[in-house]
Amino acid sequence: GAVVSQHPSWVICKSGTSVKIECRSLDFQATTMFWYRQFPKQSLMLMATSNEGSKATYEQGVEKDKFLINHASLTLSTLTVTSAHPEDSSFYICSVRTGGASPLHFGNGTRLTVT
Amino acid sequence: GESVGLHLPTLSVQEGDNSIINCAYSNSASDYFIWYKQESGKGPQFIIDIRSNMDKRQGQRVTVLLNKTVKHLSLQIAATQPGDSAVYFCAENAAGGYNKLIFGAGTRLAVHP
Repeated sequence: GAVVSQHPSWVICKSGTSVKIECRSLDFQATTMFWYRQFPKQSLMLMATSNEGSKATYEQGVEKDKFLINHASLTLSTLTVTSAHPEDSSFYICSVRTGGASPLHFGNGTRLTVT
Repeated sequence: GESVGLHLPTLSVQEGDNSIINCAYSNSASDYFIWYKQESGKGPQFIIDIRSNMDKRQGQRVTVLLNKTVKHLSLQIAATQPGDSAVYFCAENAAGGYNKLIFGAGTRLAVHP
């Protein structure tokens, strides 16, 4: 499976500021990456599908202007949480899929706390 | 549809016993299913998968059973160990393509010595 690395692993920011999270596919060229969000004691919710060289596809209810996704290369996708608010505090996890009917391989997530 | 858990159900087992974690999926058109293990503060880790043309698949100490009639999936862990303590999620592949995985609510497995 693919090895996925996320950075930072945790970040604390003040309300109103923006935070960028990086997701790298270390051993696989990923044309598509997936961003999930997980609130405490809850399941993973798909936020958006990041597409290399084109616009991301957002799930219903996810604000594309608030969660900016850039997938400029086959190994890097970034998620920027703009004008963060305390309710954006969550665990953000990216993933890569290496084939059709194959599992997602996840990074170790980024814990965002907005104060 | 998507599943969001308000709290995680917990399965408590004794070390050495077998564990069975159940999952009900929502979409009868889903054709690919995966079990993940998530330890605290980490991303989900792949355990085992199964396609809808199969009823059972075995891995090392784990078995996944699929009952399409009642849309039910289970994960059996043999000789459960303390290191198996984690939250377990089932995921189904949304109809219409292989790009979207929808996760179930999750079950916490607590293994007691």
